[in-house]
Amino acid sequence: DAGITQSPRHKVTETGTPVTLRCHQTENHRYMYWYRQDPGHGLRLIHYSYGVKDTDKGEVSDGYSVSRSKTEDFLLTLESATSSQTSVYFCAISVGYPDGYTFGSGTRLTVV
Amino acid sequence: ELKVEQNPLFLSMQEGKNYTIYCNYSTTSDRLYWYRQDPGKSLESLFVLLSNGAVKQEGRLMASLDTKARLSTLHITAAVHDLSATYFCAVDPSADGLTFGKGTHLIIQP
Repeated sequence: DAGITQSPRHKVTETGTPVTLRCHQTENHRYMYWYRQDPGHGLRLIHYSYGVKDTDKGEVSDGYSVSRSKTEDFLLTLESATSSQTSVYFCAISVGYPDGYTFGSGTRLTVV
Repeated sequence: ELKVEQNPLFLSMQEGKNYTIYCNYSTTSDRLYWYRQDPGKSLESLFVLLSNGAVKQEGRLMASLDTKARLSTLHITAAVHDLSATYFCAVDPSADGLTFGKGTHLIIQP
């Protein structure tokens, strides 16, 4: 199994503070993704990366930035957290066929 | 814009019964994915369907893909309580990530 870990698992932060979530993989998969999951919306793509320093926006990218300085790490930053960003955040990697994608365990973020 | 629609979004059924979850998508894609999610957990891959007419089965679950109709089905046979979960379908016409349906919340009652 592809190793993928997210940190932290839970975080409570105040409105207006910056927050960074980390996704780490133990293999050299090229594509990495950040999703958010909200009730009634399923999972929606925030940003994705197709290599070191190569990133692009997804469906719900406003208020988020990402960085990928190493193949194994993909960081998601909320520059100034808002209550609407309270959500569960999942990282995923594309591991090729036949398995497709592997998801991390998720980060539950609460903005108060 | 790619849209993925699942129905029903909520399903309560009795053990032993059969049922089908439907997944329609709005653009051409030869790949479709089914995931299971238990409360508070991550997504678990169930099936990866890679071509028109693909059919895969695992235990009481069977998934199929009709790329011409842009339709996939997840069929549950003789449901048991352990299959209670939320099921998602998703497509990725290109490498820029999965687009998910909103999920089907399935409750199986004794």
